[in-house]
Amino acid sequence: QKEVEQNSGPLSVPEGAIASLNCTYSDRVSQSFFWYRQYSGKSPELIMSIYSNGDKEDGRFTAQLNKASQYVSLLIRDSQPSDSATYLCAVGQNFVFGPGTRLSVLP
Amino acid sequence: GAVVSQHPSRVICKSGTSVKIECRSLDFQATTMFWYRQFPKQSLMLMATSNEGSKATYEQGVEKDKFLINHASLTLSTLTVTSAHPEDSSFYICSARETGGVTEAFFGQGTRLTVV
Repeated sequence: QKEVEQNSGPLSVPEGAIASLNCTYSDRVSQSFFWYRQYSGKSPELIMSIYSNGDKEDGRFTAQLNKASQYVSLLIRDSQPSDSATYLCAVGQNFVFGPGTRLSVLP
Repeated sequence: GAVVSQHPSRVICKSGTSVKIECRSLDFQATTMFWYRQFPKQSLMLMATSNEGSKATYEQGVEKDKFLINHASLTLSTLTVTSAHPEDSSFYICSARETGGVTEAFFGQGTRLTVV
């Protein structure tokens, strides 16, 4: 069974800190990885996609992929209270989602 | 990003009736659309993958006769919840992926279904 795992949290960080979100997956042949943000009562919105090993940066967000270790992470620099949401990791062309990590950025 | 429109955003129906939810890709063609269900404080659960012009692929445990999916064009997929019951009350969300290769999927706004 293809699984995607995340710590459910909540992960609490102070405003301005770096938030680190992790995701592991079981399907070794997966080639595409996505991070989505979901606010309560809303549908997910895409933050980043990553397909190759290494880091990919977009503004305050950095995605890191390590296929050998089967994990993908998301770093949020200079965290803001508006970043407080649930972050979902999705893996593969069929977008298998993890359970999500709830992030709380404290003012 | 690409725009996916889902309608209605909220619906209340009586037990035993059917409800149709539409998912449209507004500015791109989507060969593949995904339908999810999400209960409060839980993650997205993939119900089915819909491919234009062919039958949907349902996940294990999802009743295909209860959740009818039609993907008749490259911009529209519909989910019909037939003979709805209170336990079907949930947040239903669609996503669409642009035709051609593995790319990001974009989500509709979601439909909150309440069956009374």
